[in-house]
Amino acid sequence: QSALTQPASVSGSPGQSITISCTGTSSDVGSYNLVSWYQQHPGKAPKLMIYEGSKRPSGVSNRFSGSKSGNTASLTISGLQAEDEADYYCCSYAGSSIFYVFGTGTKVTVL
Amino acid sequence: EVQLVESGGGLVQPGGSLRLSCAASGFTFSSYWMSWVRQAPGKGLEWVANIKQDGSEKYYVDSVKGRFTISRDNAKNSLYLQMNSLRAEDTAVYYCAMELYDSSAFQHWGQGTPVTVSS
Repeated sequence: QSALTQPASVSGSPGQSITISCTGTSSDVGSYNLVSWYQQHPGKAPKLMIYEGSKRPSGVSNRFSGSKSGNTASLTISGLQAEDEADYYCCSYAGSSIFYVFGTGTKVTVL
Repeated sequence: EVQLVESGGGLVQPGGSLRLSCAASGFTFSSYWMSWVRQAPGKGLEWVANIKQDGSEKYYVDSVKGRFTISRDNAKNSLYLQMNSLRAEDTAVYYCAMELYDSSAFQHWGQGTPVTVSS
């Protein structure tokens, strides 16, 4: 099972919006509405930001939103802030034999 | 407050074994699927294994099948990962993660325990 494909880096200025893509296949992203997104600051554990494609856990800013079209999921961060600078990973359920596959990760830089 | 505290990591020679533990608190441990996720130095996240609430179902990534065993003790609120026949490519920080109830995502994570496989 190959990792989901994400851009290596995305950058934006404070206040702008950025979108991170996550491309899988019809066996994972395309088959299930079970994509999640994680934020990871250096040296820290990942934090759940989005689950089931577009749902936000309690406490996560509404500046973070998720969507999906076909085999590609997306995470949008609006009103970019300095604290959003981190690595972001998508993850998809991929069926009971493989279970979970993560994306390659995207480094977000706030200019 | 949910807490997941991993322990048991360290330096081990290739071919050796290590047992990781994860102590859970702040939630009803026996009600949740639990996973191990690892991250090699400078690399991305990789799901390793998970286990159903009662331990009746266990799943593994292909690269660890036959070498790693996930288990849990609901009476002790603890999750384990027995790692045998360790290889250099198993070097990583290993995170314990609580899966979201009735869904597929990792809701809470521990701080991780580092495992280094080297001679």
